[in-house]
Amino acid sequence: EVQLVESGGGLVKPGGSLRLSCAASGFTFRTYNMNWLRQAPGKGLEWVSFISERSYVFYADSVKGRFTISRDNDRNSLYLQMNDLRAEDTAVYYCVREGSSWSLDYWGQGVLVAVSS
Amino acid sequence: DIQMTQSPSSLSASVGDRVTISCRASRTISNYLNWYQQKPGKAPGLLIYGTSSLQSGVPSRFSGSASGTDFTLTISGLQPEDFATYYCQQSYDLPRTFGQGTKVEIK
Repeated sequence: EVQLVESGGGLVKPGGSLRLSCAASGFTFRTYNMNWLRQAPGKGLEWVSFISERSYVFYADSVKGRFTISRDNDRNSLYLQMNDLRAEDTAVYYCVREGSSWSLDYWGQGVLVAVSS
Repeated sequence: DIQMTQSPSSLSASVGDRVTISCRASRTISNYLNWYQQKPGKAPGLLIYGTSSLQSGVPSRFSGSASGTDFTLTISGLQPEDFATYYCQQSYDLPRTFGQGTKVEIK
């Protein structure tokens, strides 16, 4: 069974940093592209970052230069280092696998990041 | 970036109704269009990928179609468990982009 479990969320002050982790199991992690997405309270879905199986990375303009996605294939883990956090980064963050037709076929349960003074 | 325009933003329907949700891409995305369902407090789940392929375990009352850059999600015979928010998403290019969502409510 595919499982994605996020951790590392919490309350942080503006300008602060957090590192999200995602533990993957039930599939061959190293052969899949992975993504981080987020959803602000009461809002729609926003794609944040992508990392290919070969670690090619891509970011949304809203987080470029502040967030860094990475993966450790030996540990079956995905990460999102978030620096210079802003109030508008407040959201539930999801770790998501890419499947057929590059659809987002498996989602973690999400982790809340709240940026507030 | 590819813009995805989804409509309507909400709709009211009754159990047994046929419901259609539309999504238009700002440029060609071939068939790289996916649909997701999200219920309150839960992560989204994949319903349809590649325009019309049903994800494993998804009931056959859900279907997807396309005409050029216009895509449609159809629910044939709405069930109580289908009341949720639906999103379209293009996976043709980075950044991946979503429609604004359609909330399906009980009439």
